[in-house]
Amino acid sequence: GAVVSQHPSWVICKSGTSVKIECRSLDFQATTMFWYRQFPKQSLMLMATSNEGSKATYEQGVEKDKFLINHASLTLSTLTVTSAHPEDSSFYICSARESGTSGNEQFFGPGTRLTVL
Amino acid sequence: AQSVTQLDSHVSVSEGTPVLLRCNYSSSYSPSLFWYVQHPNKGLQLLLKYTSAATLVKGINGFEAEFKKSETSFHLTKPSAHMSDAAEYFCVVRKPRGNEKLTFGTGTRLTIIP
Repeated sequence: GAVVSQHPSWVICKSGTSVKIECRSLDFQATTMFWYRQFPKQSLMLMATSNEGSKATYEQGVEKDKFLINHASLTLSTLTVTSAHPEDSSFYICSARESGTSGNEQFFGPGTRLTVL
Repeated sequence: AQSVTQLDSHVSVSEGTPVLLRCNYSSSYSPSLFWYVQHPNKGLQLLLKYTSAATLVKGINGFEAEFKKSETSFHLTKPSAHMSDAAEYFCVVRKPRGNEKLTFGTGTRLTIIP
């Protein structure tokens, strides 16, 4: 089946630093990838939709200058949390939809736990 | 707007007994509905989906769900729980006709008692 990986699986950083999270589709090409955020005991909230070769579409209330998304290839999207603060601590999950499919299943990565001190 | 409500944050059942995880949806149109499972340190896995075909949907690992429009429900069931079913379960709604945004419920943690 389709596999999506994330790296790192967890990261601890100091306040004010930037952190990059990678999302890779391992055995398929993904024109579209999605970034979600999950707070403890809460549901996943869509942050942005990432399309290969174009700018990401951010959900209302998500700061695009703080959460930089780059989708430079059909198998890789990155999320960079810039100038991270403790309130950015969360579980970040990506998903990917296979190229050429419309409205079909999204395959999810295992998530990245970010802790900002 | 679309939303889903998972009525139980935590469900405990004994191994071998039936499982019922409840989900109600709110939508002004006929939605697509999904159940995902999340095991620790693993990505969300699709259990089953409803996309306006048969109202009784069968999924993987013996799970099934029934779409009931009159009750706006999409409850997940399994006749006999297995220890490996212990996980977090999410009910998810998506707009039809190509809109890919998924709206997640708050999740139900399923615990299996040996």
